[in-house]
Amino acid sequence: GENVEQHPSTLSVQEGDSAVIKCTYSDSASNYFPWYKQELGKRPQLIIDIRSNVGEKKDQRIAVTLNKTAKHFSLHITETQPEDSAVYFCAASKIMIYGGSQGNLIFGKGTKLSVKP
Amino acid sequence: DAGVIQSPRHEVTEMGQEVTLRCKPISGHDYLFWYRQTMMRGLELLIYFNNNVPIDDSGMPEDRFSAKMPNASFSTLKIQPSEPRDSAVYFCASSLVGDTQYFGPGTRLTVL
Repeated sequence: GENVEQHPSTLSVQEGDSAVIKCTYSDSASNYFPWYKQELGKRPQLIIDIRSNVGEKKDQRIAVTLNKTAKHFSLHITETQPEDSAVYFCAASKIMIYGGSQGNLIFGKGTKLSVKP
Repeated sequence: DAGVIQSPRHEVTEMGQEVTLRCKPISGHDYLFWYRQTMMRGLELLIYFNNNVPIDDSGMPEDRFSAKMPNASFSTLKIQPSEPRDSAVYFCASSLVGDTQYFGPGTRLTVL
């Protein structure tokens, strides 16, 4: 089955710096890779996702890159702010072309990001 | 839309008691997922449904756990009998076509 490894487990940056979180997956058939942000005591919330037909996707200060050959994907946060402090989870899944899932989301163990003012 | 609704938000019970967690998915979503989150094990999928039918329950820890989805707008996760090691936050999530999942606020379960 799919296995997702996430690194680092903790990351501390100064406000304004960039943060990068990396994930690797084992199943080459996985084609959907979302990232979730979970603030303390709250639910995981989707912040960005990427599908295997795209190499990079950006949304304001957040970007995700995907390397299918190496089976890894990364989250990049630029100009970090204190409100970016949270736990970030990557995940992988297999989605059928016309919708529907071939399996569940497999989550990484999470990265606790701390942004110091 | 109100999003995914879960109840109760907090549950404290004694070992051996039955616990029932409830979830109302986003209207129109065909997929419903139950997760358990602990510090030690992270986010674990317990079971998921597609069109009210259980598809994968391989994550259910043991026979003490059961889940049902009697209709498209309601699901339950039951633990009987409960044990202290079941203490965790239980999330329900729903999805329109099985990709993007929207999580509920979670139920924090404490078993004494």
